[in-house]
Order: sequence, then structure tokens, then C-alpha cells
Amino acid sequence: EVRLVESGGGLVQPGRSLRLSCAASGFKFDDFAMSWVRQTPGKGLEWVSGVSWNGVKTEYAESVKGRFTISRDNAKNSLYLQINSLRTEDTALYYCVKDTIRWGFYYFDYWGQGIQVSVSS
Amino acid sequence: EVVLTQSPGTLSLSPGERATLSCRASQSVISNYIAWYQQKPGQAPRLLIYAASSRATGISDRFTGSGSTTDFTLTINRLESEDFAVYYCQQYGYTPLTFGQGTRLEIK
Repeated sequence: EVRLVESGGGLVQPGRSLRLSCAASGFKFDDFAMSWVRQTPGKGLEWVSGVSWNGVKTEYAESVKGRFTISRDNAKNSLYLQINSLRTEDTALYYCVKDTIRWGFYYFDYWGQGIQVSVSS
Repeated sequence: EVVLTQSPGTLSLSPGERATLSCRASQSVISNYIAWYQQKPGQAPRLLIYAASSRATGISDRFTGSGSTTDFTLTINRLESEDFAVYYCQQYGYTPLTFGQGTRLEIK
């Protein structure tokens, strides 16, 4: 059974940093690209960032470029999202999602349950 | 970026009826790289359709995806109570990957 379990969210002040983690199991982690997708009531679903199977290729939404860094540790079957300079508009439910290919970013066949990030002073 | 516009915003139908959901792209989507997801309250989205018309594993044949270029449709036949949810389309022909704003399918 594929499982994606996010952690590391919480309530943080604007300008601070946060690191989200995703523990993956039930599939060969290093065979697939992975992404983070966030959801807000107002903006719906937004793809935030993706990383190729080997961590070499990364891409970001324009809204987070320069502030977010995606990475993975295949030895630990884990995906990460380092979020710096948090803004109130980063408040969202963040999902760890599994892609269906190794290189590039397609669609997502498995989703975690999501982790809430709230940015407020 | 490719903007996906879904219509209608809300669709009210009764069990047993057919639902037709639309997703229009602001530019032609390469290779018809469109996916559809279903999301129920308190749950993560679930993949239904990929490549515009291919059903994901375990998805009922009551769900049919169609369309090409810029206009895509998700049809749900013989609506059942479990089908009432929010549906999103997503394009993966270009990065950034983008989603439509969703169509809420509610019981009439």
C-alpha cells in the first residue's frame, strides 16, 4: 500500500522558515518524481514544486521561486520542502504527491493527507 | 502559464442522472495531457482520468474523459451518492503544472 505522510507544518510568523517532510512507503521511491501541491479555499489547488527521481531536476511555481527549495533523500524514502521568508499567502494545506514518471512532471496517482501551514503574526 | 477554466462552478443533479463537466484551456494542451481528480470533504484529491480519456486504476467505467486541444470534458453516468464531490482538471503538458478552479457536483 502506497503511503505518503507529511509532517513539519504549523503556525509560523511571517518572514520565518519551515521545513516540510514527507515519508513515503509502499513503492520504489527512487523510480518516481515527486511534487508538493498546496490548497487554499480561495485559490484552490496549486502545484508548488517538483523534483525528478534523482533530485537533479527541480521546478517551482513562480509564486515561490527563490523562497522554496524542494529536495529528496532516496536512501530515506523522503521528500522535503524548505520554505523561507514565509508570507501570509503561503497559508495552505500542503500535499506531498507521487508522480507517474521519473523525469519531468505529469499527474499524480497518490496524495498524502496534507499538512497545514498557517502564516500569521 | 496555461489557465484552466472549469464550468459550471456548481452542478446540481439527482442520483441516476448524467453529469457533464467542462475544462477549457487557455492554449492547446500538448498531447492532450489533461488529468481529472475527485475530492471529497476532508480528503485528498483522487486521480480519476489521465491523458484526457484513460481511466486510472480502479475507477468505475461510469467516469469518461474526452476532448482535445483546448476543450475537455468529464462525464459521469448514472450518478451515485458517492459521486457528489468537487472535481478538478489539471494540465501536465507544460510547467508550471496548473489546475482548474473546480466544479462542485451537489445533490439536487
